[in-house]
Amino acid sequence: DQQVKQNSPSLSVQEGRISILNCDYTNSMFDYFLWYKKYPAEGPTFLISISSIKDKNEDGRFTVFLNKSAKHLSLHIVPSQPGDSAVYFCAASPRAQKLVFGQGTRLTINP
Amino acid sequence: KAGVTQTPRYLIKTRGQQVTLSCSPISGHRSVSWYQQTPGQGLQFLFEYFSETQRNKGNFPGRFSGRQFSNSRSEMNVSTLELGDSALYLCASSLRQGPGELFFGEGSRLTVL
Repeated sequence: DQQVKQNSPSLSVQEGRISILNCDYTNSMFDYFLWYKKYPAEGPTFLISISSIKDKNEDGRFTVFLNKSAKHLSLHIVPSQPGDSAVYFCAASPRAQKLVFGQGTRLTINP
Repeated sequence: KAGVTQTPRYLIKTRGQQVTLSCSPISGHRSVSWYQQTPGQGLQFLFEYFSETQRNKGNFPGRFSGRQFSNSRSEMNVSTLELGDSALYLCASSLRQGPGELFFGEGSRLTVL
């Protein structure tokens, strides 16, 4: 069973516009959420996180929103830049347990 | 400081063989986790080691095993390889056990023929 789902395998956005990546989860015990970014031939790198006590966390061009009632997480990138083209994974965990990752969304920023 | 180092980066094996992958975590990190990445499946958790003890285990068959040494370096082994084991195997380290930011290596790309 896929506890963390990224239903869009790919997303294409024009440079300078907003990119919105979505993630849904099913386990109500999840209390910590992260986004990772992965370039080809490299390991994933941590981007931003949010705990369940918050509904928004911002870091520069990246903002993560958490809607606990809908069990939905989103990552906003604004403005989008060509270097943002990568695969983005959302991940979640219940306290003191392993991270569970989604399938990933390939983001392509078009000039 | 040096990142997570995985060896080998690429390897090709045939069905029925076994393979051992190695991971050196960031200095000072005591937790090492292993993930399998395949197209369309995302990152599937294999296991987590902390202080030489397996703390968490994913839903993989017993052919997949691992261990951690006293210097926090870790190895994972896959025996009796199957075609479906072809994947990118990622190692990640962190300061503490459990959730939180993981620092990933570049992975070991295994191809089973």
